[in-house]
Amino acid sequence: TQLLEQSPQFLSIQEGENLTVYCNSSSVFSSLQWYRQEPGEGPVLLVTVVTGGEVKKLKRLTFQFGDARKDSSLHITAAQPGDTGLYLCAGLNQGAQKLVFGQGTRLTINP
Amino acid sequence: DSGVTQTPKHLITATGQRVTLRCSPRSGDLSVYWYQQSLDQGLQFLIHYYNGEERAKGNILERFSAQQFPDLHSELNLSSLELGDSALYFCASSVGAGRLIITEAFFGQGTRLTVV
Repeated sequence: TQLLEQSPQFLSIQEGENLTVYCNSSSVFSSLQWYRQEPGEGPVLLVTVVTGGEVKKLKRLTFQFGDARKDSSLHITAAQPGDTGLYLCAGLNQGAQKLVFGQGTRLTINP
Repeated sequence: DSGVTQTPKHLITATGQRVTLRCSPRSGDLSVYWYQQSLDQGLQFLIHYYNGEERAKGNILERFSAQQFPDLHSELNLSSLELGDSALYFCASSVGAGRLIITEAFFGQGTRLTVV
């Protein structure tokens, strides 16, 4: 069974601080996605990383895929209250046609 | 709006009962995925259908079953319900072309099932 472990599970910081969320696995994935989920809503895709070592930036969010395609990180600079939510990483096992999710990081940005 | 429609939005039922959750994928999407999300948990993959055929199974209980119909909508049937089945059930769809390369999964708003 492929598992994705996210850390930390909970993070509460002040507005303006920087943070990094990690997503780790012992398995190799074809690609890795990051989603954000708000209460009462389904997850919404933020980014897909495909190539080992790939770095993608989305405004204040920076996503990195590990060289071995087993891990990923999400870095947020100058966090804002609007960044509050549940951040989920998901690994694609293309051969098994499964999208496997981590348990999520619940992020709270305090004004 | 993701374009994926799930009904009902809320469902309260008693233990031992059977319920059916419905999902209409985005127009043109052939793949439908079902996930279960318990309180403060990530999403647990249940099952994947592509163009009417089952393609992958996750940790889906024998009491649960699903199908995808010719019009591509999907139903998840949950029977002999237990208290522990209370959760959010999400459906997602994606284009799924060729060897089912997943580019993006679009999620519905979920069905909140409460078993009492």
